[in-house]
This record gives sequence, C-alpha cells and structure tokens, in this order.
Amino acid sequence: EVQLVESGGGLVQPGGSLKLSCAASGFDFSGSAMHWVRQASGKGLEWVGRIRTKSKNYATSYAESMEGRFTISRDDSKNTAYLQMSNLKTEDTAVYYCLKVRPTLAFDPWGQGTLVTVSS
Amino acid sequence: SYVLTQPPSVSVAPGETATMTCGGSNIGRRAVHWYQQKPGQAPVLVMHYGDGRPSGIFERFSGSNSGNTATLTISRVEAGDEADYYCQVWDSLSDHVVFGGGTKLTVL
Repeated sequence: EVQLVESGGGLVQPGGSLKLSCAASGFDFSGSAMHWVRQASGKGLEWVGRIRTKSKNYATSYAESMEGRFTISRDDSKNTAYLQMSNLKTEDTAVYYCLKVRPTLAFDPWGQGTLVTVSS
Repeated sequence: SYVLTQPPSVSVAPGETATMTCGGSNIGRRAVHWYQQKPGQAPVLVMHYGDGRPSGIFERFSGSNSGNTATLTISRVEAGDEADYYCQVWDSLSDHVVFGGGTKLTVL
C-alpha cells in the first residue's frame, strides 16, 4: 500500500524558514517523481513544485510564486522527499501535501498533509 | 501560463445528474484528472485520463473531454457526493501542474 506521510509543519514567523519532510513507502520511491501541492484554508489546490528522479538528474520545477523561495530535494536512501521553504509570507499558510503521480500523471493517493502557519 | 476554469458552484437534487465542467484552451488534447474533496478531508482521485475510475470509485462517476471543455458527470447524485471537485492537467509547455479553481457541488 502506498503511504506518504508529511511532517515538519508548524508555526513560523514571516520571513522565517521551515523544512517539510515526506516519508514514502509501498512503492518504488527512487523511480518516482515527487510533487508538493498546497491548500490554504477555504481555498483551492495549488501546485508547489516537483523533483524528478536520479535518471533525470533530479530536475526540479516550481510554481512562479514559489520560485527562488522554495527548494524541493530528496534522499532516495531514506525514501524521503523534502520541501525547504524560506522567506515565508503569511500567504504561504496552508496544508502542504506531498504526492506521487500515476503513469497518467494523476496524483494518487493523498496523505493528510502538514499544516504550515506563517504568522507573527 | 495555462489556465483551467471551473464554475464555483453546481447544485443538483438527489437522484439527478450533476455535470461539472473544466474549461481550458484545447483541453481536449490533454489528460485531465478529477479530484473530490469533502470538508475536512484530503482530496481523492475520482477520475483520470486513460484509466478512468480508480478502484473503489462508483460507476456513477464518468468523464469526457473534447474541444475546450472537460466534464465530470455524476449520475444518480447522492447526499454523500456533496464536495468540492477539482480538475487538473499537466502543462508540458511550462512543465507545471495546473489545477482548476474547484466547483462546490451542493446536493439540494
């Protein structure tokens, strides 16, 4: 069974940094691109970014509003993906999900996410 | 960047058919996926291009995609179908994933 468990969320002040982790199990993690998606309370889903596999040079791609502030990385030896967030803004407050894609590029399954609150 | 447009809300009586649209330029050429999100829960994939319904998803759910509009149809709507529904594609030009703004389905 595919499991993705996000952790590392919490309260952080504006301008601060936070690193989220995503522990994966039940599938070939090293062979899978990993994505992050977020959702602010009462709002829609917003794609954050993606990291590809070693065979694709761990290529990353980010949504425009997060480019330069967010960094996605992975440790295939630990079956874990990371989202490093810096210079956080109040509008970054959201539940953050890490996801793998099916061959059709659909996200499945979804975990419960981790809540990041940016507030003074 | 590529944009997906969904109506904010759709209302339907129990037993009727709910039709939720997702508009985008030439979306008929793209693989479109649909997610259901009930209050307080994480999204769930209910329809994806090529493979259709994931296991465990009711046959009442169906999808179509042509021209500039993709559609998720729910037949014989039940109270338990009340949720937010999101469409999603991958934009190869920008190498970004794009979500629609979501449609809130209300069962009257």
